[in-house]
Amino acid sequence: NAGVMQNPRHLVRRRGQEARLRCSPMKGHSHVYWYRQLPEEGLKFMVYLQKENIIDESGMPKERFSAEFPKEGPSILRIQQVVRGDSAAYFCASSPGRSPETQYFGPGTRLLVL
Amino acid sequence: AQSVTQLGSHVSVSEGALVLLRCNYSSSVPPYLFWYVQYPNQGLQLLLKYTSAATLVKGINGFEAEFKKSETSFHLTKPSAHMSDAAEYFCAVSENGNQFYFGTGTSLTVIP
Repeated sequence: NAGVMQNPRHLVRRRGQEARLRCSPMKGHSHVYWYRQLPEEGLKFMVYLQKENIIDESGMPKERFSAEFPKEGPSILRIQQVVRGDSAAYFCASSPGRSPETQYFGPGTRLLVL
Repeated sequence: AQSVTQLGSHVSVSEGALVLLRCNYSSSVPPYLFWYVQYPNQGLQLLLKYTSAATLVKGINGFEAEFKKSETSFHLTKPSAHMSDAAEYFCAVSENGNQFYFGTGTSLTVIP
């Protein structure tokens, strides 16, 4: 059973470009969480999704950031018009259910904005 | 409001010595508590979790943690450190399973 997959592992963008980060949850998992980790900091919750639904996006910046988890395919975290402050590691986690189940983390996407 | 405080951003222990990583939390309801380990350039791996069962929780790789409600603590311990334990450790709290709040992490160095 493959773990949580994230791609790309590393992404370089220039200011103003768009970044698309993909997350494929573990097989059988329908809950996906996105986190951002800034250098020397812990993970910050961004958004919690189930298939086709955003359950909790209270940690997501109001502008430029969006997330989706379509019926088919991976979950996508999209950052429009990136700025240098968006440089961070973005982690996706999946779980089989809503209760505080174990979250299985992907290896992360390291975004660098030049 | 939920939050997690990890005292000591860097901890060094000798190989074979006791490992103690501290975590204090704040929560308005009985929380669920977790310890994760992160190796360089990798995602987080669950070490153990407390979900209102036994207050002493045993995890993988010989780690354990004790939930102390009176102290609002969930410190992580291991009796004897191994070189392979060198990593970043994160404590996390969740009240509802939606949001997980992570501490800022403790970097563990094991000295041979």
